[in-house]
Amino acid sequence: AQKVTQAQTEISVVEKEDVTLDCVYETRDTTYYLFWYKQPPSGELVFLIRRNSFDEQNEISGRYSWNFQKSTSSFNFTITASQVVDSAVYFCALTNTGGFKTIFGAGTRLFVKA
Amino acid sequence: EPEVTQTPSHQVTQMGQEVILRCVPISNHLYFYWYRQILGQKVEFLVSFYNNEISEKSEIFDDQFSVERPDGSNFTLKIRSTKLEDSAMYFCASKTSTLQGTDTQYFGPGTRLTVL
Repeated sequence: AQKVTQAQTEISVVEKEDVTLDCVYETRDTTYYLFWYKQPPSGELVFLIRRNSFDEQNEISGRYSWNFQKSTSSFNFTITASQVVDSAVYFCALTNTGGFKTIFGAGTRLFVKA
Repeated sequence: EPEVTQTPSHQVTQMGQEVILRCVPISNHLYFYWYRQILGQKVEFLVSFYNNEISEKSEIFDDQFSVERPDGSNFTLKIRSTKLEDSAMYFCASKTSTLQGTDTQYFGPGTRLTVL
C-alpha cells in the first residue's frame, strides 16, 4: 500500500523567513515518482517538481529547493525568503510504477504574513 | 501553452440527478485521470483511463461513476445518481505517456459540484 504523510497541517511565517514543508511516504515499489503541487486560494493545482526514485539529487529552483532522502522516505520542500504570494496549500504526491495512480498527502497550508 | 480545460466550472444539482463533468485533455496526451477534492481535504484519486479503458480505479469509484472518451478530444465523468457526499471539486488530469511513470500529470482548473 502507498501512503503520503504531511504531518504539518498549517504553518504560519512572516515574510522573508525560510520554511520547510515535510513529506514522508510509504511504498513497496522500487520505482516510484514524487511530486509537489501548489494549490493557491483560486483552487487550481500547480505542478512544482517531480523526482524519480532512482535520482536522489537535490534540486533548487529559485527560492524553492527539495531534499529527497530515500533512507528516511522523505521528500521535503523548502521555500527560502518566503513571500506573501507563497501562501497556499502545498501537496506532496506519490505515483506508483506504471503511473496509473497518484496518492496525495493531506496538504500543508502555508500562511505568509507581510 | 496547452492546458487541460474543464466545463462547467461550477455545477449545482439535486440529489439523485445524473451529472456529467467534461474535460478536454491536452491534445497529444494519452493518459487521463479524474480526482476529487472535498472542501478543505486532500486530493483523492478516482480513476485512470488509457486506450479506451479504465487502467486503475479507487474504492471511491463505484458503480455510480463511469468515464468515457466519446470522441477524440473529450473525457467525461458521469455520476449516475448524485448524493450529498459527492459535493466536491473534481479535477481532470492528463499526461503524454506512462513510460516508467516519468511524465507529469497536468491538472485542469476543476469543476465544483454542489449537490443539494
